[in-house]
Amino acid sequence: KAGVTQTPRYLIKTRGQQVTLSCSPISGHRSVSWYQQTPGQGLQFLFEYFSETQRNKGNFPGRFSGRQFSNSRSEMNVSTLELGDSALYLCASSLASWAGGMDEQFFGPGTRLTVL
Amino acid sequence: AQSVAQPEDQVNVAEGNPLTVKCTYSVSGNPYLFWYVQYPNRGLQFLLKYITGDNLVKGSYGFEAEFNKSQTSFHLKKPSALVSDSALYFCAVIHGSGNTGKLIFGQGTTLQVKP
Repeated sequence: KAGVTQTPRYLIKTRGQQVTLSCSPISGHRSVSWYQQTPGQGLQFLFEYFSETQRNKGNFPGRFSGRQFSNSRSEMNVSTLELGDSALYLCASSLASWAGGMDEQFFGPGTRLTVL
Repeated sequence: AQSVAQPEDQVNVAEGNPLTVKCTYSVSGNPYLFWYVQYPNRGLQFLLKYITGDNLVKGSYGFEAEFNKSQTSFHLKKPSALVSDSALYFCAVIHGSGNTGKLIFGQGTTLQVKP
C-alpha cells in the first residue's frame, strides 16, 4: 500500500506570496491532519479534515486554510506569507472512521517551505 | 490544557545497552498516548500507542512503553539499543474523543546511540 505523499517536497517563496501544498492520504484513509514543524515551536497541529469537513482546528491565524476533496486528498493554503511561516509542513492520514476512534496517524515526508 | 513533556533534549546510550526516553503528560480524563520517531529529512513514523488495557505496550522495532497513571508517564524503552535507533523521538497525546486527528506533541528527544 502506498504511503502518504506530499507535493512539492521543497518550496521557496517570498514574503506576501501565497502557497498551496498538497497531500494524498493512504488509500482508504478519510482523515487528513496537517502539522507545522519548526525548531522553535516544535510540532503544532494546524487542522484536520474528515469527509471533506474540517473536524478540528489548531491555533493558527486565518491565513492558514485547508480543504479536502471527495477522494480524501487535501490541500493546505497559506496566504500573505511571513518569514515565520518557514517550516516543514507535515500531512498525516488515518482511518479515524468515527470521532472516538484513536487510530494512529501515518505521516508523509513533508513539504519544506522557505520564505525569503 | 492538555500537554506532553519530554524532559530530556538528548539521551545518549551505548549500543547494546537499554534505553529509556521519558514522557509525562497532563490531561484531564483518559489520555490516548503515542510515540513517533523521525529520521533526518523524513516524516514521522508510528512506533506504538496506548489507548486502554495492559499498561505495557509493545510496538515496532523492539520498542515498548509503559503507561503509569499515578506518575502520568509514558516512557519509551528498548532492552538493547542499536546505532540505527539514533533519531528524534516524539511523545504525543490525543485528549478526548472529540479531538480525533489532533495530536499534541512533546518537544522531542534526540536519541544518540554510540557504537
